[in-house]
Amino acid sequence: GAVVSQHPSRVICKSGTSVKIECRSLDFQATTMFWYRQFPKQSLMLMATSNEGSKATYEQGVEKDKFLINHASLTLSTLTVTSAHPEDSSFYICSASGLASGVILDTQYFGPGTRLTVL
Amino acid sequence: GENVEQHPSTLSVQEGDSAVIKCTYSDSASNYFPWYKQELGKRPQLIIDIRSNVGEKKDQRIAVTLNKTAKHFSLHITETQPEDSAVYFCAASKSGGTSYGKLTFGQGTILTVHP
Repeated sequence: GAVVSQHPSRVICKSGTSVKIECRSLDFQATTMFWYRQFPKQSLMLMATSNEGSKATYEQGVEKDKFLINHASLTLSTLTVTSAHPEDSSFYICSASGLASGVILDTQYFGPGTRLTVL
Repeated sequence: GENVEQHPSTLSVQEGDSAVIKCTYSDSASNYFPWYKQELGKRPQLIIDIRSNVGEKKDQRIAVTLNKTAKHFSLHITETQPEDSAVYFCAASKSGGTSYGKLTFGQGTILTVHP
């Protein structure tokens, strides 16, 4: 159990366009979702934390108007990279925690990631 | 905020040897310490975790130790195999309530196990 999916797995877009990435919890209620960014050969850096039905909390240095996060349901969160530029090219990974059959999950569960390339 | 330091950045061992990766954290309120294995282009996979009320945990060839006083925790892999080769990340968070808190990751360790 506790499966998280992401879509798309990889996307290539032109500079200046917007890209939406979806993160879904398939078999549990994701009360909290996290979005991470990982550059090549680097660690995962938290971008923002979102609780279902609330505005996301962004980490210092992350532009909230550029990285729009929506967490409108207990199974879906979206990250929209607006006006993408080549420096936004990265591996974006979501994770989720919450409840499965009323039981608090014991950890976060990661999605498979989305490779974004901005030309 | 929390800061997690991880060492070494690279580790090369012969098959069958043991590997040890160490992490320190700064926030004494952190109480959950997972370790992840990540292969190239894949999601991080939880391999073992430990909570602050436990000093040591073992799962087959993998063990984790936690020293709350010194604020450091370590991953021990025994009888390493080539398929253990990957990037390993430690992390720390404060858990509680209805969900687990945000994870702060270490810088990662590239483990290479030579046949």
